[in-house]
Amino acid sequence: DGGITQSPKYLFRKEGQNVTLSCEQNLNHDAMYWYRQDPGQGLRLIYYSQIVNDFQKGDIAEGYSVSREKKESFPLTVTSAQKNPTAFYLCASSEAGRFTEAFFGQGTRLTVV
Amino acid sequence: AQSVTQLDSHVSVSEGTPVLLRCNYSSSYSPSLFWYVQHPNKGLQLLLKYTSAATLVKGINGFEAEFKKSETSFHLTKPSAHMSDAAEYFCVVSDFPGGGADGLTFGKGTHLIIQP
Repeated sequence: DGGITQSPKYLFRKEGQNVTLSCEQNLNHDAMYWYRQDPGQGLRLIYYSQIVNDFQKGDIAEGYSVSREKKESFPLTVTSAQKNPTAFYLCASSEAGRFTEAFFGQGTRLTVV
Repeated sequence: AQSVTQLDSHVSVSEGTPVLLRCNYSSSYSPSLFWYVQHPNKGLQLLLKYTSAATLVKGINGFEAEFKKSETSFHLTKPSAHMSDAAEYFCVVSDFPGGGADGLTFGKGTHLIIQP
């Protein structure tokens, strides 16, 4: 089955730690995205990548980092610089071009303990 | 600049009655518009999309939406609600000229509650 796989589903982080969220897709999409979801705020774009070895900051990139070494993979690292990391994180991918929709993974819920 | 406003944060209907979830948008270009559904602790699933073809768009699970340019609206409807429709719904607009999902702007969501 084609789709986007995020892991883990739940993740707990201690204060001061970096954690990495995994996102893999087998849809052969060029573009991949990371969103953060907080209650009542919709989705906010963290980073996106249109092509391998290239990525751009979204609206709330501070405290996060990404890499895009392979077309299929777009891991997100939540660094200790992110002051309020507890949230639901969603990875998405899409084809290029206008009117394209995003396909989403099942999400990772990150909690700081 | 683009924006999207979902007019109701919560909507409650009885099973078997019609559903109306309201969405207004603003856009500098000819927009593309989407409705997504999200069940608890899950990702988002596309219900339907408008891409400048027919103004009445039919989606999955009996949902449809009508693009009204004069009213800058894209309301989501369903004739008869089912218990499984209980979820969060997001209206999304994109007028990014180059295309791509990085140009998407999400509404804040409408929580649909279905009463038995």
